[in-house]
Amino acid sequence: EPEVTQTPSHQVTQMGQEVILRCVPISNHLYFYWYRQILGQKVEFLVSFYNNEISEKSEIFDDQFSVERPDGSNFTLKIRSTKLEDSAMYFCASSGRSNYGYTFGSGTRLTVV
Amino acid sequence: AQSVTQLDSQVPVFEEAPVELRCNYSSSVSVYLFWYVQYPNQGLQLLLKYLSGSTLVKGINGFEAEFNKSQTSFHLRKPSVHISDTAEYFCAVSPVGAGSYQLTFGKGTKLSVIP
Repeated sequence: EPEVTQTPSHQVTQMGQEVILRCVPISNHLYFYWYRQILGQKVEFLVSFYNNEISEKSEIFDDQFSVERPDGSNFTLKIRSTKLEDSAMYFCASSGRSNYGYTFGSGTRLTVV
Repeated sequence: AQSVTQLDSQVPVFEEAPVELRCNYSSSVSVYLFWYVQYPNQGLQLLLKYLSGSTLVKGINGFEAEFNKSQTSFHLRKPSVHISDTAEYFCAVSPVGAGSYQLTFGKGTKLSVIP
């Protein structure tokens, strides 16, 4: 069964550093998403991406965040200057034409120290 | 805006017993409804979804859910649980026809199946 692949599975970074979280969505999917889950809290929507541009973003997705699909297969989330409160599990997801019932990756646990 | 409430943060149940995980939502527009499961150290896997039609929806692993519009609920049920069902279960909604495909999640319910 096709999978969404996320790397790395765990990343530790110092406050103020830039991090890039990587995702390889399912190859024929058209819509791409990032969600995050702070420990003990809800899974929260960050951003959706379609046709090489952001289609929706939440209030969490401020100027510190950016997304890119650099080569037609990878989908990345960049955090420019990490804060302690960015520590969370970050999930990438993709969906096909119907756009419902995403396929999620296993997540990247980001720890900012 | 939408919100999802999963009242039970943890549900212990004995193996082969039935289980119901509760989900209520609030929305000013119609919604699509989803249940996801997360096994330890894994991603979110779609269990089932309600888009339209029959309000009783069957999913994978013997789970089913019933959409009740008047009670704004979408409870998940399984008649007989197995040890392998131990996981965290998330209810989520997405607005219909609003040009938005973002999911709003509940806080999750940890199901522990006791041998």
